Order: sequence, then structure tokens, then C-alpha cells
Amino acid sequence: EDKVVQSPLSLVVHEGDTVTLNCSYEVTNFRSLLWYKQEKKAPTFLFMLTSSGIEKKSGRLSSILDKKELFSILNITATQTGDSAIYLCAVEAAGGTSYGKLTFGQGTILTVHP
Amino acid sequence: SAVISQKPSRDICQRGTSLTIQCQVDSQVTMMFWYRQQPGQSLTLIATANQGSEATYESGFVIDKFPISRPNLTFSTLTVSNLSPEDSSIYLCSGLLSAEGRYGYTFGSGTRLTVV
Repeated sequence: EDKVVQSPLSLVVHEGDTVTLNCSYEVTNFRSLLWYKQEKKAPTFLFMLTSSGIEKKSGRLSSILDKKELFSILNITATQTGDSAIYLCAVEAAGGTSYGKLTFGQGTILTVHP
Repeated sequence: SAVISQKPSRDICQRGTSLTIQCQVDSQVTMMFWYRQQPGQSLTLIATANQGSEATYESGFVIDKFPISRPNLTFSTLTVSNLSPEDSSIYLCSGLLSAEGRYGYTFGSGTRLTVV
């Protein structure tokens, strides 16, 4: 059974801090790892990672995947109160009956204080 | 990427009743899925909505409780039947687009269901 574990489960920081969120996974036939930000109900897409060692960046957010050690990290620099949200990590399996199905981790609740 | 309109946004329902949630996609998607997010939990896949045929349910979810329809490539409904307080959750539909060099997932805006 595919499994995704995120850490920490919650994190409280002050504006300007840098945070690192972790995601480890076990999946039978890996295709990609995705990061989402969930503020109210709908998750919004951040990154899709398929290759090891290639950092993806979007503004103050960046992410990297290690397919050998089966983990990914999401970094947020110079945090702002608007970064407060639940950050979800999901893995996508390739092909067969698992095609298109995402397995989500528990999420990391990030709270950024002014 | 595709945009999914989901409704209702929220509802409060009585025990024993049913709620039907609709998702409309603005373009054709390859696959559609329904997820549940119980309070304080992550997203759990309920089923894959198959166009013109019965949905494929994950372990622990059954058609009698969660009937799903997908009459065409852009529309799907999920009904949560015989509601109990344990069904209070956020329900989300998702679409996977895989065509012409584009690949990605989109989520609907979610439905927050409270059962009283």
C-alpha cells in the first residue's frame, strides 16, 4: 500500500523565518510527487516533481526530490502571514489500476505570526 | 489548466438524508476523482468516476453509500447517502488532464458538509 508521511505535523514561526517541510514516501510504481497549499477547502498546486536533484522554484518557495532516499522537501524563505496554511504532499503512481490516483500525506499545518 | 466548478460550497443536512455534489469542468479531463477530507485529516480517495460506467471505489467505500455518476467528460456527481454525523467532511472532486503535452491535476473548490 502506498504511503506518504509528512513532518512536522505543525509548525509555528514568525514572519521572515525560513521553514523546511519534509515528505517521505513509499509507492510501488512512482510517477511524481506533488506539493499543494490548502488554505480553506481546495488544495492549490505548488509543484510537481518527477526527477531527482532538480530544484523547482516559484518565488520564495522551492522544492526538491530525492528518489533514492524517497523524500522531498519544501522550503519557504522569508515567510509571510499569507503563507499560513496546510501544506500537503502527495505521490502519484504510474500506470495500471493506480493511474491518476494520488496518495496524500497528513499535511503540515504552518502558522506564521506577524 | 482546467477549472472545476463545484457546488454546493457548503451544506448542513439532517441525519438520514442525502446530499448530491456536482462538479463541472471547463474542458475535457482524462479522469475525474472524488476525495473526502475528514476534520483534521488528509485527503482520502473515495473513487474514480468513469465516464458512462460504474465508478471504481477504493477499499472502504461502497456504491450504495457514495453513488457517483459521470455522464460525460466534463461533469460528475457524488451523492452521500443516508447521512450520519461521521459523514461530516470536506468533499473534493479532482480532474486529471493528460493531453497534447499537458499533464496536471486540478481540484474543485470543495463542499463542506455538516450532518446534524
